[in-house]
Amino acid sequence: SAVISQKPSRDICQRGTSLTIQCQVDSQVTMMFWYRQQPGQSLTLIATANQGSEATYESGFVIDKFPISRPNLTFSTLTVSNMSPEDSSIYLCSVAGGGLFSNTGELFFGEGSRLTVL
Amino acid sequence: AQTVTQSQPEMSVQEAETVTLSCTYDTSESNYYLFWYKQPPSRQMILVIRQEAYKQQNATENRFSVNFQKAAKSFSLKISDSQLGDTAMYFCAFIPYGTASKLTFGTGTRLQVTL
Repeated sequence: SAVISQKPSRDICQRGTSLTIQCQVDSQVTMMFWYRQQPGQSLTLIATANQGSEATYESGFVIDKFPISRPNLTFSTLTVSNMSPEDSSIYLCSVAGGGLFSNTGELFFGEGSRLTVL
Repeated sequence: AQTVTQSQPEMSVQEAETVTLSCTYDTSESNYYLFWYKQPPSRQMILVIRQEAYKQQNATENRFSVNFQKAAKSFSLKISDSQLGDTAMYFCAFIPYGTASKLTFGTGTRLQVTL
């Protein structure tokens, strides 16, 4: 399994501002994923971040709103830009099991970042 | 496209009793993984149990076991001897084989374990 650290754990933000969430993994991984979990809802995949290439975004999510960086095999950031109250959610970083060379199917998750936008 | 359905939004069970959470899925894939994840109030998603579709034997992890019915596309989770610490949201999830595959989650079942 992988140990995933996310920062910040929670934050209260003003409308129109941007916030960057950091995700650090204790081992090298090929694929990192960013999910959004709106209050009381299931998880929705925002994008997949692979090192050395641009992130792949899911339908309904765009790079201008959720820019992602993946500078190396253990770190990624997600920025939530020009926030509105509708962006109030938990944002979760996850990595695929199996490390660099395989995908064992399961995902391991960070503790999530709870954002509240006023 | 794959879909995962959890038809029980909320369930309650008394401590030490057994509870079963339901999950059905729809896919045209023949090789895939199924998972149950637990999300306690602390928010961290924790993998509870995993099943590979090619294995006929149902997976078990201590007090947690599954009833995997591939033909019926059903994957239920049984929690035996329920404990207060089992109180959480439980999500069923599906992913086809392949490095580029993505995990699809169900809508979740909120389980409350009571005294």
